[in-house]
Amino acid sequence: DQQVKQNSPSLSVQEGRISILNCDYTNSMFDYFLWYKKYPAEGPTFLISISSIKDKNEDGRFTVFLNKSAKHLSLHIVPSQPGDSAVYFCAASANAGNMLTFGGGTRLMVKP
Amino acid sequence: DTGVSQNPRHKITKRGQNVTFRCDPISEHNRLYWYRQTLGQGPEFLTYFQNEAQLEKSRLLSDRFSAERPKGSFSTLEIQRTEQGDSAMYLCASSLGRASNSPLHFGNGTRLTVT
Repeated sequence: DQQVKQNSPSLSVQEGRISILNCDYTNSMFDYFLWYKKYPAEGPTFLISISSIKDKNEDGRFTVFLNKSAKHLSLHIVPSQPGDSAVYFCAASANAGNMLTFGGGTRLMVKP
Repeated sequence: DTGVSQNPRHKITKRGQNVTFRCDPISEHNRLYWYRQTLGQGPEFLTYFQNEAQLEKSRLLSDRFSAERPKGSFSTLEIQRTEQGDSAMYLCASSLGRASNSPLHFGNGTRLTVT
């Protein structure tokens, strides 16, 4: 039973445009959500997070939106750059716990 | 480099052999995690330490898997009697404090291939 799902395995975007990566979850106990970026042969790198008490968090070009009623979160990257090309994972935890549940990832390709 | 360090980067072993991986967390981090990632999937939680105490273990962690963190510093993950299904990337991560306010910092992983 996948509690965190990223339904788009890949996304291609033109440089300078907006990239929108989506994530759905089923566990209503999740209260903290994170996005990680992964380059080949490297471990995941933390990007941005959001607590369930918020619906938006912004950090530079990256914004995460949380819709609790829909159990949906999204990551917006504006403007997209070729260096953003990587696999993006969303992750969630429950009760401020220590176990992160990850989605399957979305491969983003930003074309120059 | 003060990030999370994992050794070896790659390990090829024959089925039935034992393997051991090492993780050195960021020095001031008291929490250490092991995850496993297979091709096309996200990382899956295996186990977690706070200092030297192993506080949580996933059902994925069979009896052939054992992890230790002596003295609350580095950690080792041992797999006994390896099976082909154990082939995966094994990721170690560390954090300072609870997951809600301290994101996990991952190492570059150990890729295990069981032939």
